[in-house]
Amino acid sequence: GDSVTQTEGPVTVSESESLIINCTYSATSIAYPNLFWYVRYPGEGLQLLLKVITAGQKGSSRGFEATYNKETTSFHLQKASVQESDSAVYYCALGDHNNAPRFGAGTKLSVKP
Amino acid sequence: GGIITQTPKFLIGQEGQKLTLKCQQNFNHDTMYWYRQDSGKGLRLIYYSITENDLQKGDLSEGYDASREKKSSFSLTVTSAQKNEMAVFLCASSMTNSAETLYFGSGTRLTVL
Repeated sequence: GDSVTQTEGPVTVSESESLIINCTYSATSIAYPNLFWYVRYPGEGLQLLLKVITAGQKGSSRGFEATYNKETTSFHLQKASVQESDSAVYYCALGDHNNAPRFGAGTKLSVKP
Repeated sequence: GGIITQTPKFLIGQEGQKLTLKCQQNFNHDTMYWYRQDSGKGLRLIYYSITENDLQKGDLSEGYDASREKKSSFSLTVTSAQKNEMAVFLCASSMTNSAETLYFGSGTRLTVL
């Protein structure tokens, strides 16, 4: 079945440093699934950060970017300069029409001031 | 906008007890999901439903029943609570199918004594 693997947490970086959270996927039932990053900020519910439905395209939100790479089956989340308010748990996910969405284990990010 | 309401927020049960978790959405979405989240693990699918009265098993369906009697509601029953079990159950919905963005409730935290 489909699966998602992402950087194991927790990850700690200092404010203004760059960040990359790795995500790779395996999709067995569909060639090009939709790819998502969800985020849970402290005290809030899980919500969409960004999504990309076309291979080769990039999605962006709140300064974060992720590019859908079908060759390496990856969807890494990047930010050039993190802020303390980015501290949260980030989940990579894969969705297709035939199966319910699959999620990675989540990566807890702590940004030090 | 809409909202997903999960009740109760906290649920404490005894070993062997049957426990029911409820979820309501006012998005008018077709598809609804139940995920379980354990500490340090990702979201694991228990059941999902693509329309009223439909049920699809996920990876973790054993030990659970689900019911979708109305489009707006999706309930989950733990058929026999396991001692020392602790987890958060997340309900979600998507507009038409499982390739789309999921919208999440705030969760029900289960503790079994």
